Amino acid sequence: DTGVSQDPRHKITKRGQNVTFRCDPISEHNRLYWYRQTLGQGPEFLTYFQNEAQLEKSRLLSDRFSAERPKGSFSTLEIQRTEQGDSAMYLCASSPLAGASEQYFGPGTRLTVT
Amino acid sequence: SQQGEEDPQALSIQEGENATMNCSYKTSINNLQWYRQNSGRGLVHLILIRSNEREKHSGRLRVTLDTSKKSSSLLITASRAADTASYFCATRSMDMGRRALTFGSGTRLQVQP
Repeated sequence: DTGVSQDPRHKITKRGQNVTFRCDPISEHNRLYWYRQTLGQGPEFLTYFQNEAQLEKSRLLSDRFSAERPKGSFSTLEIQRTEQGDSAMYLCASSPLAGASEQYFGPGTRLTVT
Repeated sequence: SQQGEEDPQALSIQEGENATMNCSYKTSINNLQWYRQNSGRGLVHLILIRSNEREKHSGRLRVTLDTSKKSSSLLITASRAADTASYFCATRSMDMGRRALTFGSGTRLQVQP
């Protein structure tokens, strides 16, 4: 257990519904990242926050995806009008401001869109 | 998109043997990291090697980096059944403004007891 928590751990939704995931990073970590991982592949970067500022976004983050970190602590990732192609594991990671680049990952939220 | 490929995609060995996994990447990097992922779980950081380093050790792990060939290898010595997992390399760009890690496609390691 790295100390990064994600909720829910599993989510099944019907196509067209909206879903929201939450990530609670390690409390002293200023940086927070979201990744998506499909079966048999490595994680793909979605977006990155430093405190409450969203500093980096991947082209994978279409306009149906939005992420927030309003108080620089927990973060939410919302997917609107879900599609079957959104089915994946959504991973959150955090890291401190100083030091090396290693990231601490949460257990992930597995999304299944039916 | 994935940064590069890992080789082999799957590896099965006996307990006590050494396991070697290779990673290739495409762009200039600041550092390269290796992560382990047990089935259906989050990733755990194993080791980081900077672009100006050629080899690094941590316990039973040995990592090499060849920036001229844009490749790295991870050696796990004296493997244990508990080492069974997927292993991913991840690179951090030379652009210091970018914090994202770019992951390879992973090697699935099975260690038979």
